[in-house]
Amino acid sequence: GNSVTQMEGPVTLSEEAFLTINCTYTATGYPSLFWYVQYPGEGLQLLLKATKADDKGSNKGFEATYRKETTSFHLEKGSVQVSDSAVYFCALRGNQGGKLIFGQGTELSVKP
Amino acid sequence: GAVVSQHPSRVICKSGTSVKIECRSLDFQATTMFWYRQFPKKSLMLMATSNEGSKATYEQGVEKDKFLINHASLTLSTLTVTSAHPEDSSFYICSAETGTNNEQFFGPGTRLTVL
Repeated sequence: GNSVTQMEGPVTLSEEAFLTINCTYTATGYPSLFWYVQYPGEGLQLLLKATKADDKGSNKGFEATYRKETTSFHLEKGSVQVSDSAVYFCALRGNQGGKLIFGQGTELSVKP
Repeated sequence: GAVVSQHPSRVICKSGTSVKIECRSLDFQATTMFWYRQFPKKSLMLMATSNEGSKATYEQGVEKDKFLINHASLTLSTLTVTSAHPEDSSFYICSAETGTNNEQFFGPGTRLTVL
């Protein structure tokens, strides 16, 4: 079945550091891929998405490229801020639509 | 953007009582709503998929008699935790899917604590 694997956290960075959170997936066909962010005590917000191979999703300085050859969708940001501290979830949805499959989440803590 | 609300945001109840959580899509009609459960520092676990006017589809291992889901309209779904016990304490999150591009929008979550 479909699955998503993320790098384990917590990840602790200093402000303005470069961020990478790895995400790989297993799926049949051509899933859509997503990154969601969850701030403390809140629900999930869509951060970015990509629906086909080689698409790059971007938002708020975050980027992720859909790599079918490596089945990956790594999240990157060139310079993190304290306000980026949150839990980040990678997710996929099959090409038939329907439910989202989430990775286990990666907690990011950015120190000033 | 599309907004999904949940009520209450936080509830504390005694063991053996039932608790109802509401999920509303405020500015769009949701053909499908999803209910998730999140344990501390863990990922989201899909509990059930709810379609307006029909019975919910529960994921394997989720007790349908324990977690009653009703999707009475295109803007409202409810989750009732019946005869709640301390092990039901968790963060419950709903999402609502639009019919246009099937994007899901998440509610802010409900923290349930069963004493």
